[in-house]
Amino acid sequence: EVQLLESGGGLVQPGGSLRLSCAVSGLTFSSYDMTWLRQTPGKGLEWLSTISASGANTWYPDSVKGRFAISRDNSKSTLYLQMSSLRAEDTAVYYCAKVFGSGNWDYWGQGALVTVSS
Amino acid sequence: DIQMTQSPSSLSASVGDGVTITCRASQSVARYLNWYQQKPGKAPKFLIYAASSLQGGVPSRFSASGSGTDFTLTISSLQPEDFATYYCQQSYDAPWTFGQGTTVDVK
Repeated sequence: EVQLLESGGGLVQPGGSLRLSCAVSGLTFSSYDMTWLRQTPGKGLEWLSTISASGANTWYPDSVKGRFAISRDNSKSTLYLQMSSLRAEDTAVYYCAKVFGSGNWDYWGQGALVTVSS
Repeated sequence: DIQMTQSPSSLSASVGDGVTITCRASQSVARYLNWYQQKPGKAPKFLIYAASSLQGGVPSRFSASGSGTDFTLTISSLQPEDFATYYCQQSYDAPWTFGQGTTVDVK
């Protein structure tokens, strides 16, 4: 059974940093591109970043480029999202997901809540 | 960025009803259109890709069609487990974008 389990969410002050992790099991992690997405009541679902299977290539939308950094450790089957200069509008549930084809996702984690507030 | 617009935003239906949800893209996405189902407190579930291909394990009462800018998701006979929010999403051009969702609730 494929499982993706996010961790590292919580309360962070504006301007602060946070690193999310996503532990993956049940598949050959090193074979798949992986993605982070988030969901807010206001903006809905938003794609944040994708990393290639090897980790050599990463992609971001302009909205988070320079503030968020995706990475992976294939030896640990773990995906990461380093977030910096956090703002109130980054408050969301963050999901990791396995890329199915290109730009779509067939397995998702359960989500990690990040709250940016003083 | 490609904007995805769903209609209606919500609909009420009964078990056994057929329902159709529409998704419109702000520019052509060819057939690079996906559908997800989400229940409260859960992650989205991948239902359909390439506009009309059912993901493995998805019941055949779900169907979808369309190309270019106009797409539909149809549930032929609503079951209790189908009450949820449905999202369309384009995978034609990054940044990948989602519709705002259509909530199907109990009439």
